[in-house]
Amino acid sequence: AQKITQTQPGMFVQEKEAVTLDCTYDTSDQSYGLFWYKQPSSGEMIFLIYQGSYDEQNATEGRYSLNFQKARKSANLVISASQLGDSAMYFCAMREGGSGGYNKLIFGAGTRLAVHP
Amino acid sequence: EAQVTQNPRYLITVTGKKLTVTCSQNMNHEYMSWYRQDPGLGLRQIYYSMNVEVTDKGDVPEGYKVSRKEKRNFPLILESPSPNQTSLYFCASSPRTGVNQPQHFGDGTRLSIL
Repeated sequence: AQKITQTQPGMFVQEKEAVTLDCTYDTSDQSYGLFWYKQPSSGEMIFLIYQGSYDEQNATEGRYSLNFQKARKSANLVISASQLGDSAMYFCAMREGGSGGYNKLIFGAGTRLAVHP
Repeated sequence: EAQVTQNPRYLITVTGKKLTVTCSQNMNHEYMSWYRQDPGLGLRQIYYSMNVEVTDKGDVPEGYKVSRKEKRNFPLILESPSPNQTSLYFCASSPRTGVNQPQHFGDGTRLSIL
């Protein structure tokens, strides 16, 4: 079974509008961390935001926020006021707590976001 | 500037010719890891290291070797590269292991094995 599922291979959004990128995860651990990374066309992986499984508040970092719904096992990334520079591939990832799972990031397949002027 | 540095950024080589991709971090991180990225598969872990002289296999270790003789360096070695190792490779590091540790990535190395 997929540990991290990103169901949207591609998304379009108009500049200045908000967009939500979906991510669902599967784990039986109580302790885990969820991460979002951005990969522009230049290829580097840029860390955007982190949410811990015990965090009660949704994480926010500037224009990025994470809509964390623990019971539904979803960790959607919300980008507010989209900019042309937000066009990139976005990856959701998880670090699990048990059985050494914290030793790796498990990635989803990614969502390619295109921001239109 | 805090960073993870990989070299080379691009390499085209032939089957069977040993190669090493270097990775160095200047953040005194204990944890380092190698991933490969293939279309539609996201990133998959090859090897990781929790500290000097402590390394272990990830999900796709076949055909690769690593070493961690110094804290800052974690080279990836392909002893006899094959075309199925053509991929985009990332080195990453974090201060420690732990679920709350984001990994900081290098800029990637694009390998083509002919």
